[in-house]
Amino acid sequence: AQTVTQSQPEMSVQEAETVTLSCTYDTSESDYYLFWYKQPPSRQMILVIRQEAYKQQNATENRFSVNFQKAAKSFSLKISDSQLGDAAMYFCAYRSPLYGGSQGNLIFGKGTKLSVKP
Amino acid sequence: DGGITQSPKYLFRKEGQNVTLSCEQNLNHDAMYWYRQDPGQGLRLIYYSQIVNDFQKGDIAEGYSVSREKKESFPLTVTSAQKNPTAFYLCASSILPGLAGLSLYNEQFFGPGTRLTVL
Repeated sequence: AQTVTQSQPEMSVQEAETVTLSCTYDTSESDYYLFWYKQPPSRQMILVIRQEAYKQQNATENRFSVNFQKAAKSFSLKISDSQLGDAAMYFCAYRSPLYGGSQGNLIFGKGTKLSVKP
Repeated sequence: DGGITQSPKYLFRKEGQNVTLSCEQNLNHDAMYWYRQDPGQGLRLIYYSQIVNDFQKGDIAEGYSVSREKKESFPLTVTSAQKNPTAFYLCASSILPGLAGLSLYNEQFFGPGTRLTVL
C-alpha cells in the first residue's frame, strides 16, 4: 500500500522569505499524481499545486513550486515571498493511476503546520 | 457559484445517538467522498461513491453509513456503533475518474467541513 510521509510537523518562516515543506512517499507504481493542499484556520481545504509523475518539469503556481524527485520519491513544496496568508496546515497527497484498484482515491500525509512571522 | 456545502457547521451528539451530516454539490461531479480528520492526523477516507446508488467503504468505514440517492447529495450517518466519533468531517467531490478529454488529475474539491462533538 502507498504511504505519504511529512516529516516536519511544524515549520516557521519570516514574511517575504522562502520556505520548503518536505514530502516523501512510498509506492511501486510508475505513474501517479501528487498534490499539495492548504488548510487555513477556516479549515477549508484548498488545492495549491499538482504534479503528474510522468512529467519531468516541476509544477509551478505563482509563488508555489515543487521539487519532484521521482527516483527519491520526494515531492517538496517551496513557497517564495511568504505572506501572512500562507499560514496554514499543508497536506501532501498521493493518487494512484485510475486503472488501478484504488479508484483514484487520495492518500494524505499527516500535514505540516506553517507559521509566518511578520 | 458552484461548490460544495456541508451542514451543519457544528454538531453535538449524545451517546447512543445516530447523527447525519449533509453534503451537497452543484459541480456536476460524479464522485463524492467523506473524510475524517483528527488532530495530528491526515485525512482518512470513510466512504466514497462514483455513481448514484453505489458506494464503497474506505479505510475507516466501521460505525458509519452513507447513501447516494441523488448525484448532488452524499449524506453521512455517524451511528452509535462509532466508538470515537468526535472529529472534523470533510466532504469532497471530483469528476469521474478516467473521463476522456477531462483532467486526468481528478483533483478533489472540498466542502467547509462539519465539526462533530460527542457530549
